[in-house]
Amino acid sequence: GAGVSQSPRYKVAKRGQDVALRCDPISGHVSLFWYQQALGQGPEFLTYFQNEAQLDKSGLPSDRFFAERPEGSVSTLKIQRTQQEDSAVYLCASSRRDRGTEAFFGQGTRLTVV
Amino acid sequence: AQSVTQLGSHVSVSEGALVLLRCNYSSSVPPYLFWYVQYPNQGLQLLLKYTSAATLVKGINGFEAEFKKSETSFHLTKPSAHMSDAAEYFCAVSDSYGNKLVFGAGTILRVKS
Repeated sequence: GAGVSQSPRYKVAKRGQDVALRCDPISGHVSLFWYQQALGQGPEFLTYFQNEAQLDKSGLPSDRFFAERPEGSVSTLKIQRTQQEDSAVYLCASSRRDRGTEAFFGQGTRLTVV
Repeated sequence: AQSVTQLGSHVSVSEGALVLLRCNYSSSVPPYLFWYVQYPNQGLQLLLKYTSAATLVKGINGFEAEFKKSETSFHLTKPSAHMSDAAEYFCAVSDSYGNKLVFGAGTILRVKS
């Protein structure tokens, strides 16, 4: 597709439920990033893939958060046993490998844990 | 560690007035700096970026920003605000090893008619 696509756009989960968020990056983009944006805040880095390799997961807030990109294209962010503090917009971005190049963002998935 | 500070969580200007959104950064290495705009329920759209070329960077929609190393600043300006500029603006810095972005908290721009 022309841009980064994320699904679902909105997700309501009951506390304790597992969720999976999908990201389809721009075709050919090597780098893929996940960010978490809490209400009224700027996005915060979660994790980074270069092709299928997860090179940085320092931003994942707990071991309940897991991300994968098995074939170097589509990525899934999984949150196990969701908590209310997980409520946020989860943004995916992709870019070429070059330093300083633009990251293109998807519209995000708004997760609400009730 | 890198960080970004955006002064003013809310800025209000009249239509046709100058827009000035402030951003200061902290970085131990030469930074790459970005301004993004976010409209309600939308993702982030790049306005402009600084990557060590010209210090005055021109972006889309008439916005520009000037990199000032001595002041560690990268303020965003537009000579004349338009109603359609109302949105939230984020300044971001990337590290030296790739494109991981560190964002400021954002500034909501309101344009009054």
